[in-house]
Amino acid sequence: KQEVTQIPAALSVPEGENLVLNCSFTDSAIYNLQWFRQDPGKGLTSLLLIQSSQREQTSGRLNASLDKSSGRSTLYIAASQPGDSATYLCAVSGGSNYKLTFGKGTLLTVNP
Amino acid sequence: NAGVTQTPKFRILKIGQSMTLQCTQDMNHNYMYWYRQDPGMGLKLIYYSVGAGITDKGEVPNGYNVSRSTTEDFPLRLELAAPSQTSVYFCASSPTSGSYNEQFFGPGTRLTVL
Repeated sequence: KQEVTQIPAALSVPEGENLVLNCSFTDSAIYNLQWFRQDPGKGLTSLLLIQSSQREQTSGRLNASLDKSSGRSTLYIAASQPGDSATYLCAVSGGSNYKLTFGKGTLLTVNP
Repeated sequence: NAGVTQTPKFRILKIGQSMTLQCTQDMNHNYMYWYRQDPGMGLKLIYYSVGAGITDKGEVPNGYNVSRSTTEDFPLRLELAAPSQTSVYFCASSPTSGSYNEQFFGPGTRLTVL
């Protein structure tokens, strides 16, 4: 059974700092990995999708990497801003239904 | 495009009541999913559909039913609501299978069963 773990559970940083969020998964037979952002009381916004054949994806200040063989992904946020404060969820897609298995998330607070 | 829409946004039910959570997508996606999110936990898959007329169970299907009569709509039915079904429910859709199965989520329905 696929399990996804995110470390740390919470992170507080000063504005302008670069930071890394970590995600690990137990079964390397995945189609892709998605990083989402969730604001309090809101839905999920897709940030980046990395296909299983890719090593990384970039969008603006965000860079996500994938090492499928070791079951690890990182989300790098450059020059963090208070508006980046949210919960970041990692999810891997697998199985015949392509369902997403989610981690519990990392709560990020960026202090002005 | 409105994307994935869900109604209602909030609902309070009494134990034993029933209700239907509505989900509609206007992106002509074949795949649709229902997840639930409990506090401090990741999302868990309840049911999914790979096209109109085809549905199947996910990890936590007990107490729920679904139907998919059209490509656009994927309602989730709760029968005999229980306090354990207090959660936030998210509907998602995806255009295709394979490694580019990117899922797009609705805003969620926050359900409380008292």
